[in-house]
Parts: sequence; structure tokens; C-alpha cells
Amino acid sequence: DAGVTQSPTHLIKTRGQQVTLRCSPKSGHDTVSWYQQALGQGPQFIFQYYEEEERQRGNFPDRFSGHQFPNYSSELNVNALLLGDSALYLCASSLAKRGRPYEQYFGPGTRLTVT
Amino acid sequence: QKEVEQNSGPLSVPEGAIASLNCTYSDRGSQSFFWYRQYSGKSPELIMSIYSNGDKEDGRFTAQLNKASQYVSLLIRDSQPSDSATYLCAVSDSNYQLIWGAGTKLIIKP
Repeated sequence: DAGVTQSPTHLIKTRGQQVTLRCSPKSGHDTVSWYQQALGQGPQFIFQYYEEEERQRGNFPDRFSGHQFPNYSSELNVNALLLGDSALYLCASSLAKRGRPYEQYFGPGTRLTVT
Repeated sequence: QKEVEQNSGPLSVPEGAIASLNCTYSDRGSQSFFWYRQYSGKSPELIMSIYSNGDKEDGRFTAQLNKASQYVSLLIRDSQPSDSATYLCAVSDSNYQLIWGAGTKLIIKP
């Protein structure tokens, strides 16, 4: 049973550039959530995708955008990178259930460094 | 502002003892509660979920929920050095979005 996968594992970008991170959910899952985690902090919710639509969004600027594909995989795009965007980016997948907040399972993360 | 509070630690516990981790939350509408373990440099791993008041046991782990006090805890019995990690508490809000604590660093001393 394949777990959540993310690519790439590490990435170094220059301020002002754009980056795309990718995530494939756990087999059987249909929902993907993206988080940003700075060192020593808990994950900060960026957005969640279900049925190819952004269902919820956290307090992140429009520079952060995403997409979900028909096979449930997802991309996170960040434009005009800032030094403060350096963090571990986590993808979590889950199975939508009516009326029940769902258990989320995380991928290994992408470590983004902006110089 | 919906918040989840955890003591940042570090919490130091002797090997074989019980480690007790605590979490409080502000949203009374929260219905689901999760504990994740995160090793340094790794991603969070789900270890317990709890939805009803009371205790839920899974092996050496016990989650305790008290919605009236807005309090959730995690007990680890017979603590092992491999339990040394940061433990994250996550609480769902009324929109099913997870709100995360900053985590408690646990150190098990041999």
C-alpha cells in the first residue's frame, strides 16, 4: 500500500523565483491538504483540495496556489519567493467522510530553501 | 482566533516511566482530536485520534479527552528512548480544518 509521496525532497531557489511542489496521496484517499512548517513550529495550513477544487484556505497570500488532478494528486505553486518562504512543505492526504473530520497522513515533505 | 496550546518542553522522562503530554484548545465546537509524533527532520506521523470524552487506548498510548475542560492529553506508558520526539496536538474546527499546536519535545532518558 503506497503511502503519501512528495517531490522533490529538497529544493533551493532564489528570491523572486517560482516553485512547484508535487504530492501523490495515499492509495484510496481523495483529499489533499498542504502545510508549511517552520523550524520549531507546528504545521500551518495553506489549503485543501477535494474533487479538484480548493475547499478551504488558510491565511496565506495569493502567491500560494494549487491544483488537484483527476487522479487526486496535487501541486503547490509559490510565486515571487521570499526568504520567509523557506520551510518544510508538507502534503497530507485523507479520505473525505460525511460529518467526520478526517485523519490525515503526511508525506515526507519538501524542504525549500530560498536564498 | 482559534488556538491549540502545548507546553514546548522539553519534557524529560526516565526510561520505563509514564510520559504525560497535554494540550488545550479554544474552539468549543471542536469535534476531533489527533496526536502526531514528529522526529527531527521528518514529517508528522499519526499515532492517536479521539472523538469522544474519556480514554482511548492503543498499545502503550492512551489519549484522554475532556471537552468540558477543552483539554486533551496523551499518556505513553513504559517510555522508550525511541519515543523521544516532538508530539503535536491537532484539533479540528467547525469547518473540519485542523488547528495545530507548536508541539512538545519529549526526551526519554535511558
